[in-house]
Amino acid sequence: QSALTQPASVSGSPGQSITISCTGTSSDVGSHDLVSWYQQFPGKAPKLIIYATTKRPSGSSNRFSGSKSGATASLTISGLQVEDEADYYCCSYAPGGALVFGGGTRLTVL
Amino acid sequence: EVHLVESGGGLITPGGSLRLSCAASGFSFSDAWMNWVRQAPGKGLEWVGRIKSEHDAGTTDFAAPVKGRFTISRDDSKSIVYLQMNGLKTEDTALYYCTTLSGTFKLDYWGQGTLVTVSS
Repeated sequence: QSALTQPASVSGSPGQSITISCTGTSSDVGSHDLVSWYQQFPGKAPKLIIYATTKRPSGSSNRFSGSKSGATASLTISGLQVEDEADYYCCSYAPGGALVFGGGTRLTVL
Repeated sequence: EVHLVESGGGLITPGGSLRLSCAASGFSFSDAWMNWVRQAPGKGLEWVGRIKSEHDAGTTDFAAPVKGRFTISRDDSKSIVYLQMNGLKTEDTALYYCTTLSGTFKLDYWGQGTLVTVSS
């Protein structure tokens, strides 16, 4: 099972919106709505911010939103804040019950 | 409040074995599907494997790179999940996280991780 494809880095200015893509295949991302997104600060454990492709867990900022088109899922962060600077990972359910992560995207807030 | 505390990491030579533990509290452990996820230094997240609840037959699944070398077990009486790692390779060097897996396959709670270093 190959890793999902994410851009290595994205950047934006405070107040702007950015989108991080996560591309898989018709066997994983494209076959269901079981994509989740995680935010990770340096030296910290990842934190769930989006699940089931579009849903936010309690405590997750409403500035985070998820979507999907075909085999590409996306995470959009609106009203960018300095404290959003972190690494972001997508994750998908894959055939055989596995989970597959994207390579991660470093968000820089300029 | 959910707590997951991993332990058992350390320095091990290639070919060696190590058992990691994850002590859980704050939720119904016996109903939980527990996962292990690892992160090599400076690298991304990689799913390692999972054990289902005993109610769901307690079966396990593993990622291809560790299949046949790693096993996962659980002790519901102690709320502990174990990751037994045999035949360790240098590429298994990573921070190993214990996580819960809830409906819709979301990894909703994470421990702080335990570091495994495989080196001669």
